[in-house]
Amino acid sequence: DAGVTQSPTHLIKTRGQQVTLRCSPKSGHDTVSWYQQALGQGPQFIFQYYEEEERQRGNFPDRFSGHQFPNYSSELNVNALLLGDSALYLCASSTPGQGGLADTYEQYFGPGTRLTVT
Amino acid sequence: GESVGLHLPTLSVQEGDNSIINCAYSNSASDYFIWYKQESGKGPQFIIDIRSNMDKRQGQRVTVLLNKTVKHLSLQIAATQPGDSAVYFCAETIGSGNTPLVFGKGTRLSVIA
Repeated sequence: DAGVTQSPTHLIKTRGQQVTLRCSPKSGHDTVSWYQQALGQGPQFIFQYYEEEERQRGNFPDRFSGHQFPNYSSELNVNALLLGDSALYLCASSTPGQGGLADTYEQYFGPGTRLTVT
Repeated sequence: GESVGLHLPTLSVQEGDNSIINCAYSNSASDYFIWYKQESGKGPQFIIDIRSNMDKRQGQRVTVLLNKTVKHLSLQIAATQPGDSAVYFCAETIGSGNTPLVFGKGTRLSVIA
């Protein structure tokens, strides 16, 4: 059973360019969340997709957009890249909880895509 | 591999000793907390979680303690091993299901063999 996979592993782009990162969730998971992790920091929530729609969004500009496909895989797009967009981009997959205090919030992270903007 | 964090607080422990990693969380409304381990070049890996109706939860070699009064979490690792060397993050969220995780800054654990 494959876990969360992401591609590419590394990517180097120039300021002003656009980039697309890809994520395949763990088998059986239908919800995908994207996080940005700058060097020396904890991951920061970008947005989350469920049923092919953006369900929640963090404090990121509109340059960051995404998509979820019918097979639950997801893409993260970043337009007009800035030097500050250089980071590790993490995808996490999960499935809706059943509700109640006993639930474990199982969110599985992929290995990430290291984006360097020069 | 990739370096997760260059300027994180670091905890150095001798192999076989117990480790205690602390975390202060920010939102008093948070009711679900998770500890993650992140090794160089990898994504965060789930270690243990705890809900706000509990103050202690134990796993295999790990224990999480929650003090809601002072908004503090700790992760205790018993008999620390070289494979425990990594960056550890606490994360908080509200509710169950798929609410976004808010991560702390992380602590680098270095195990001395």
